[in-house]
Amino acid sequence: EAQVTQNPRYLITVTGKKLTVTCSQNMNHEYMSWYRQDPGLGLRQIYYSMNVEVTDKGDVPEGYKVSRKEKRNFPLILESPSPNQTSLYFCASSLGSGGIGELFFGEGSRLTVL
Amino acid sequence: AQKITQTQPGMFVQEKEAVTLDCTYDTSDPSYGLFWYKQPSSGEMIFLIYQGSYDQQNATEGRYSLNFQKARKSANLVISASQLGDSAMYFCAMRGSSISSGSARQLTFGSGTQLTVLP
Repeated sequence: EAQVTQNPRYLITVTGKKLTVTCSQNMNHEYMSWYRQDPGLGLRQIYYSMNVEVTDKGDVPEGYKVSRKEKRNFPLILESPSPNQTSLYFCASSLGSGGIGELFFGEGSRLTVL
Repeated sequence: AQKITQTQPGMFVQEKEAVTLDCTYDTSDPSYGLFWYKQPSSGEMIFLIYQGSYDQQNATEGRYSLNFQKARKSANLVISASQLGDSAMYFCAMRGSSISSGSARQLTFGSGTQLTVLP
């Protein structure tokens, strides 16, 4: 089954404790991206990757890191989480990097930073 | 800059009836993609349907169809035979094709329409 898989789905952590949210897709997609969704602010892009070893900042990259060492994986790293990073996070992928074609989301990761 | 407008914050529909969710867009890209997603209260973002700007026919996926009117810049979602499980937030989104302007790098979302299906 074609899918984007995120882990963990739910996480409560404390300020400053490094964490990684994994994202994996099994569709051989070139493009992958991370979004966060907050009430009243909608979905905002954190980082994106057009292909392996190619990553770039989205609209709200502060406090986050990513890597794209292989095509299927695009982990989101919070080196020192803070309460303002409490949010619902989505990973997304699409076949092409040129903007056209279906784009799929993972199931979401609900993160709470105390 | 790209923009998506969903003018219906909330909609109600009777079970088994059809419903249309409105979406208008604005872009200067020559080609682009239009998407609809469903987000139930559990939070996941479920892909429903995709329409490319150069596609000749309107997209359909089961009970979902996209009424694409390019000249009017509208991409309305039609759900036929509504079911109770269709109650959710629905987002219209678009993605451009320009790498240089950045429109290809991300989806631009509308504010969403909360659909409630009544028994």
